[in-house]
Amino acid sequence: AQSVTQPDIHITVSEGASLELRCNYSYGATPYLFWYVQSPGQGLQLLLKYFSGDTLVQGIKGFEAEFKRSQSSFNLRKPSVHWSDAAEYFCAVGASKAAGNKLTFGGGTRVLVKP
Amino acid sequence: NAGVTQTPKFQVLKTGQSMTLQCAQDMNHEYMSWYRQDPGMGLRLIHYSVGAGITDQGEVPNGYNVSRSTTEDFPLRLLSAAPSQTSVYFCASRRSGRNQPQHFGDGTRLSIL
Repeated sequence: AQSVTQPDIHITVSEGASLELRCNYSYGATPYLFWYVQSPGQGLQLLLKYFSGDTLVQGIKGFEAEFKRSQSSFNLRKPSVHWSDAAEYFCAVGASKAAGNKLTFGGGTRVLVKP
Repeated sequence: NAGVTQTPKFQVLKTGQSMTLQCAQDMNHEYMSWYRQDPGMGLRLIHYSVGAGITDQGEVPNGYNVSRSTTEDFPLRLLSAAPSQTSVYFCASRRSGRNQPQHFGDGTRLSIL
């Protein structure tokens, strides 16, 4: 069965500093990986996704993520954080052969941005 | 373009009451899903549908029913609400195909007293 671990429950970062959110997954075949962001009281918005090809994926809002198969990781990064990046971030893995919507989510990392 | 619309946004129920959470999408997406979000547990799949007339169970289906009579609508029913079902519920939809991302509604915050 697939699983996703986000080791950091909370991260506090100063505005303008860099940000890295960790994601480790467990899946037997080629994973389909996603990062979503959730602002307070809102649904989830897709930041980026990885299916194949270049292991460095660019997303919206200046985010990028790097897929490392050897480490089963898909960490999210942003070089310079803005106050509007304060939100909760979810990593998810999708089964490559699923006919349905079998996305498995990590527990989330809440990001706080200090001025 | 409304996307995925969930109603209501908030609801308080008493234990044992029944209720239907509504979800509608206007993107002609084949796949629809219901998730519940609980602190520290991310989102867990309750039920999903790959098309009208076809539904299947997800990770945490007990206590919930779904139906998919049209492509647009995917209601979630709680037949006899329990305090353990207090959660935030998200509906999502996507196109068929492996590479398609989910589009989420804004959620329904449900409290069972």
